[in-house]
Amino acid sequence: AQTVTQSQPEMSVQEAETVTLSCTYDTSESDYYLFWYKQPPSRQMILVIRQEAYKQQNATENRFSVNFQKAAKSFSLKISDSQLGDAAMYFCAYRPMNSGYSTLTFGKGTMLLVSP
Amino acid sequence: DAGITQSPRYKITETGRQVTLMCHQTWSHSYMFWYRQDLGHGLRLIYYSAAADITDKGEVPDGYVVSRSKTENFPLTLESATRSQTSVYFCASSSLLLAGENTGELFFGEGSRLTVL
Repeated sequence: AQTVTQSQPEMSVQEAETVTLSCTYDTSESDYYLFWYKQPPSRQMILVIRQEAYKQQNATENRFSVNFQKAAKSFSLKISDSQLGDAAMYFCAYRPMNSGYSTLTFGKGTMLLVSP
Repeated sequence: DAGITQSPRYKITETGRQVTLMCHQTWSHSYMFWYRQDLGHGLRLIYYSAAADITDKGEVPDGYVVSRSKTENFPLTLESATRSQTSVYFCASSSLLLAGENTGELFFGEGSRLTVL
């Protein structure tokens, strides 16, 4: 079974600074998706960034970027120039890229606190 | 409006009562999912469905029943609610996975907070 581990229950960062959230996963699949979802206090699940395992280039979305290390099964999220609105729970998630029954497995989350 | 909607958003019930949480999506997505979110556990999969009339158990299915007679609807029923089922429930959907043709992303509803007294 696939597992996703987020080893940091909580992280703190100051506005304008950079923070990195860690994620590791375990799988025997070769093709899969990795995601970071953000959950603000509104409870809505918002996709932050996505990475396909067959792509060597790390995904980037504005201030958000990932460091994807396939051999190490590591998928960290870097947030640059942190803003107060980045404060939220962040979930790392994994999904096999097969055409059969494919579900999303989540880590337990990292709460990001942003201070002025 | 297009999207995925859950109802009710908030529900308080008593132990032993039957509760149904509704989920409706307008994208004609093949996949639909039910997750529960609890502190310290993240989101855990209860049930999922790959198409109408095809459902399967996830990680924590005990005490829950699902059905999917229509592609757009995926109700979750707690047949006899227990306090341990107090949680926030999320419905999600995604398109069928075809190599190179979609993002694999799940689209989530706004969640339903259920309290069982």
